[in-house]
Amino acid sequence: DGGITQSPKYLFRKEGQNVTLSCEQNLNHDAMYWYRQDPGQGLRLIYYSQIVNDFQKGDIAEGYSVSREKKESFPLTVTSAQKNPTAFYLCASSIGKRGPLGNEQFFGPGTRLTVL
Amino acid sequence: GENVEQHPSTLSVQEGDSAVIKCTYSDSASNYFPWYKQELGKRPQLIIDIRSNVGEKKDQRIAVTLNKTAKHFSLHITETQPEDSAVYFCAASLSGGFKTIFGAGTRLFVKA
Repeated sequence: DGGITQSPKYLFRKEGQNVTLSCEQNLNHDAMYWYRQDPGQGLRLIYYSQIVNDFQKGDIAEGYSVSREKKESFPLTVTSAQKNPTAFYLCASSIGKRGPLGNEQFFGPGTRLTVL
Repeated sequence: GENVEQHPSTLSVQEGDSAVIKCTYSDSASNYFPWYKQELGKRPQLIIDIRSNVGEKKDQRIAVTLNKTAKHFSLHITETQPEDSAVYFCAASLSGGFKTIFGAGTRLFVKA
């Protein structure tokens, strides 16, 4: 299960505080992704990045921000503008454009964020 | 907008029986369709995928079929075993394979 890591595993924050979730990969992957997983709703795409210094909004980007300053890292900030931030957050990476069109995503272990 | 619908949400089968999970997608430009398995408390992992130029793909007890005209694809698991119990997600990739839309998931229970 190595290659892509997320920290911390559990995170508690007070309402109104911004919080940043870490995601690091050593797979030499170009593309990275952030998903939110809620019960019964599958995985919803928050942001994705095809290459360093570039990223695009997914379906539920409001209240979230990302950066991609390094190939290995794609941190996600959950801002106070996110109405219901309590969820399980999954980061993933894939080989990107160097691979075949459409390629396997490798997921991290996830971070469970609880806003009190 | 782009959407992937997955059915059923819950599936219970007897060990040794077959299980079928069906998905439909909305964007005809989708060209990559992976299936992920997520065991309780673990991360999703790819179990099989299919590209739009292929109608069927098999890997031991698992097979996936794709009907591009109808915009639906299915996962077939034969000779189910208790360790197949998990949540299965279908997905469809857009935008050159980067933007992936997931179905809501199917919780499969295999009774021994």
